[in-house]
Amino acid sequence: AQSVTQLGSHVSVSEGALVLLRCNYSSSVPPYLFWYVQYPNQGLQLLLKYTSAATLVKGINGFEAEFKKSETSFHLTKPSAHMSDAAEYFCAVTLQGGGYNKLIFGAGTRLAVHP
Amino acid sequence: DTEVTQTPKHLVMGMTNKKSLKCEQHMGHRAMYWYKQKAKKPPELMFVYSYEKLSINESVPSRFSPECPNSSLLNLHLHALQPEDSALYLCASSQRSAGVSETQYFGPGTRLLVL
Repeated sequence: AQSVTQLGSHVSVSEGALVLLRCNYSSSVPPYLFWYVQYPNQGLQLLLKYTSAATLVKGINGFEAEFKKSETSFHLTKPSAHMSDAAEYFCAVTLQGGGYNKLIFGAGTRLAVHP
Repeated sequence: DTEVTQTPKHLVMGMTNKKSLKCEQHMGHRAMYWYKQKAKKPPELMFVYSYEKLSINESVPSRFSPECPNSSLLNLHLHALQPEDSALYLCASSQRSAGVSETQYFGPGTRLLVL
C-alpha cells in the first residue's frame, strides 16, 4: 500500500538559508506525490505535485521538489527561506483502490524561520 | 479560480445541539471531500462524494451526516457530538474522484469546539 514518511517533525532555519523538508514514499506502483502547505489557522494549499512528467517539479513561492526513484524520495527545497514560509508542510501520496483515489498524508513537518 | 469556501469559520456547540457545516465550490468539480484534522496531526478523510453520490465513508460515526444537495455544495450535519470531535473540519474538491493525478483543493476549514 502507498504511504509517505516525513523525516523530522520540526525544522528550524535562519532567514535566507536553504530549506530542506524530507519525504520518503512507499508504493508498489508509480506514485503521484504532492506537497501541501498549511499556514496557521488556514486550510491546505497545494505547493506542487509530481505526475511523472518531470523528476524536478517547480511549485509556488519558490519551492521545488525532486523525485528520486532510487531513493524513494520526494524532498521539498527552497534556496532561501523567508519569514513567511513558517508553516506546516505535508507530503501526500495518492492511494488507489476501489475505483477511487484517496490522499494519504505524512505526519507533517513544522518549519520555523528565525531572523 | 481555485477557491473552496467554508462556513462558518468557527463553531461552538454543546453535545445536544444540531448544527451544520457548509462547503461550496464553483470550479465545476464533481468530487467533494470532508476531512477532520486534529491539532498537530494531518487531515484524515471522512467522506467522498462523486457526482453528488456518497462514494466513500471512512467508518465515520453516524453523528456526522454528510449531504450533497448539488454539484457545488456539500454539507456536514452534526448531532450529539462528543468533546473529542473538536477539530478543524476541512472540505476539498477535485475535478473527479478517480484519476491518479487529481489535485484536491482545500477550503480554509471550520474550527469546531464541542463543549
